[in-house]
Amino acid sequence: EVQLLESGGGLVQPGGSLRLSCAATGFSFNNYAMGWVRQAPGKGLEWVASITGDVDVTGYADSVKGRFTISRDDSKNTLYLQMNNLRAGDTARYYCAKDTGAGISGWFQTWGRGTLVTVSS
Amino acid sequence: QPVLTQPTSLSTSPGASARLTCTLRSGLSLGTYRVFWYQQKPESPPRYLLSYYSDSSKHQGSGVSNRFTGSKDASSNSGILVISGVQSEDEADYYCMIWHSGAVVFGEGTKLTVL
Repeated sequence: EVQLLESGGGLVQPGGSLRLSCAATGFSFNNYAMGWVRQAPGKGLEWVASITGDVDVTGYADSVKGRFTISRDDSKNTLYLQMNNLRAGDTARYYCAKDTGAGISGWFQTWGRGTLVTVSS
Repeated sequence: QPVLTQPTSLSTSPGASARLTCTLRSGLSLGTYRVFWYQQKPESPPRYLLSYYSDSSKHQGSGVSNRFTGSKDASSNSGILVISGVQSEDEADYYCMIWHSGAVVFGEGTKLTVL
């Protein structure tokens, strides 16, 4: 069974940093692109970033470009999101999602349950 | 103007059909996009329902009822999700999505209420 388990969320002050992790099981992790999608309280879904499954090409939403970095460790079957210079507007539940192939398409057929990030002083 | 526009809410009765729309911004051609649909219930992650490009290129999510059907309406430049025989369990938020200009773009979501 394909499973994604996010961790690393919490309360952080504006300007601070946080690293999210997503542990993947049940599939050949290195063969698939992965992504992060967030959802602010009471709001809709917003794509954050994705990374390909082969040559580690990345893509970012304009709202996080230059502040967030997506990466992966295929030896650990783990996806990461390094978040720097956090703002109140980054407060959201962050979901890890598995893309359908090695390339980035947003075709997320499997999602984790998410981890909550709160940016507040 | 957003890339994708969805009605904020839609109400329907049990057993009826619900037609959810996802309108592409003027100037963009729907024919070049695969439209994805996700369902989200309270306190749960999104669930992939289906994707639609054309009648010969469509995909139903694993375990998703065939009561959920995707299509396109060229006249309104919209992706369509039809839920037939609506059940109370279908009450949820529904999001459409496309891959556009190197980014994943979600619509703002439609809250479906089953009265």
